[in-house]
Amino acid sequence: QSVLAQPPSVSGAPGQRVTISCAGSSSNIGTGYDVHWYQQLPRTAPKLLIYANTIRPSGVPDRFSGSKSGTSASLAITGLQAEDEADYYCQSYDGSLSVVFGGGTKLTVL
Amino acid sequence: EVQLLESGGGLVQPGGSLRLSCAASGFIFSTYDMTWVRQAPGKGLEWVSSISGSAGSTNYADSVKGRFTMSRDNSKNTLYLQMNSLRAEDAALYYCAKLDGSALAWGQGTLVTVSS
Repeated sequence: QSVLAQPPSVSGAPGQRVTISCAGSSSNIGTGYDVHWYQQLPRTAPKLLIYANTIRPSGVPDRFSGSKSGTSASLAITGLQAEDEADYYCQSYDGSLSVVFGGGTKLTVL
Repeated sequence: EVQLLESGGGLVQPGGSLRLSCAASGFIFSTYDMTWVRQAPGKGLEWVSSISGSAGSTNYADSVKGRFTMSRDNSKNTLYLQMNSLRAEDAALYYCAKLDGSALAWGQGTLVTVSS
């Protein structure tokens, strides 16, 4: 059971918009800790998509965006492409030196 | 550019020990907390342990507490994970990660297999 709750799967057709939620609590996201989002393709290390809730690292398309409110965060992907099919994870903190992850969401592009 | 390179994974029998290493470069290693994360085959990401920049503090997931010890040598820019009393459920790809600051980064992982 992961500390942060994500839907196990989401899907969308090419060109559509999908969102992935990440629900935390008052001990992690609700405390004000940042939320980061990762994309993981099969047999590869997680790739940073969004950090500090809303910031895209250089090279990440602006189709990806993050938001945070209260004890939850969301990742939105617009203009869905076949190459976006992957697993997505949210990550935050639950105190000093305590890292928490979501269980991961499998995105299927129909 | 931040780079993290893990090593030390391999096949070990249940009850055995293994020490993982992570060589870091591209940032001032001693000023950042560092983390080990693992991923069992077909499963999600699981936090294992974290250590402060000064190595003065560590924290562990309940699943490894008392069996794993995380340490670092700031003079060598290297992170370690000593794993003792290994169990079948510890089998996973172990990632070294910098999840502190703005330049977050992950290594490529080192595979630990626990089997007799």
